[in-house]
Amino acid sequence: IQLTQSPSFLSASVGDRVTITCRASQGISSYLAWYQKKLGKAPNLLIYAISTLQSGVPSRFRGSGSGTEFTLTISSLQPEDFATYYCQQLNSYPITFGQGTRLEIK
Amino acid sequence: QVQLVQSGAEVKKPGASVKVSCKASGYTFTSDYIHWVRQAPGQGLEWMGIINPSGGSTSYAQKFQGRVTMTRDTSTSTVYMELSSLRSDDTAVYFCARGGEGRQLFFDYWGQGTLVTVSS
Repeated sequence: IQLTQSPSFLSASVGDRVTITCRASQGISSYLAWYQKKLGKAPNLLIYAISTLQSGVPSRFRGSGSGTEFTLTISSLQPEDFATYYCQQLNSYPITFGQGTRLEIK
Repeated sequence: QVQLVQSGAEVKKPGASVKVSCKASGYTFTSDYIHWVRQAPGQGLEWMGIINPSGGSTSYAQKFQGRVTMTRDTSTSTVYMELSSLRSDDTAVYFCARGGEGRQLFFDYWGQGTLVTVSS
């Protein structure tokens, strides 16, 4: 299952609201997760099952969608949010990731 | 607390093999599966395969079939990933991650990553 994220690159300011889209090549039910990755660090789970916030993740992160189209929204960007974001499907093997969306400070 | 601690960076020549370890602690080792994911420089995340620490069963991504072997040692709560016939494009950071099996919800804990450099 191929996951296509858009945009690949996003430039935004602190306080902005941003949305990242992840489109699957076929239905993946609710087996969609989002991760934040910073340089030199392991990925950090943000959201699973499309919209469930992982414990400890700030509420400014929100996931939504269904079927083959999903979104990650960050409601008010904070300095620590500038990173690369990946969606992941866990519906079937091989598990796949989107190509990533790099979020940079404007 | 749950921790996955990986072995240190490796430098290998083309054609060689590398074995990366991932030591689990803070939970029951045999109750969750371990996945391996890699990230080549400037690239995205790529799933390599899964091992069941309880029985040792494995499933590998087709791309790595025949070159990757995942094993575990329950006495030390450690999982290993060995990749053989290394090529320059195997240069990447390799991560282990705790997850489930089959349809599952997430990878909740990750190792810190192990840089494997393949260079002559």
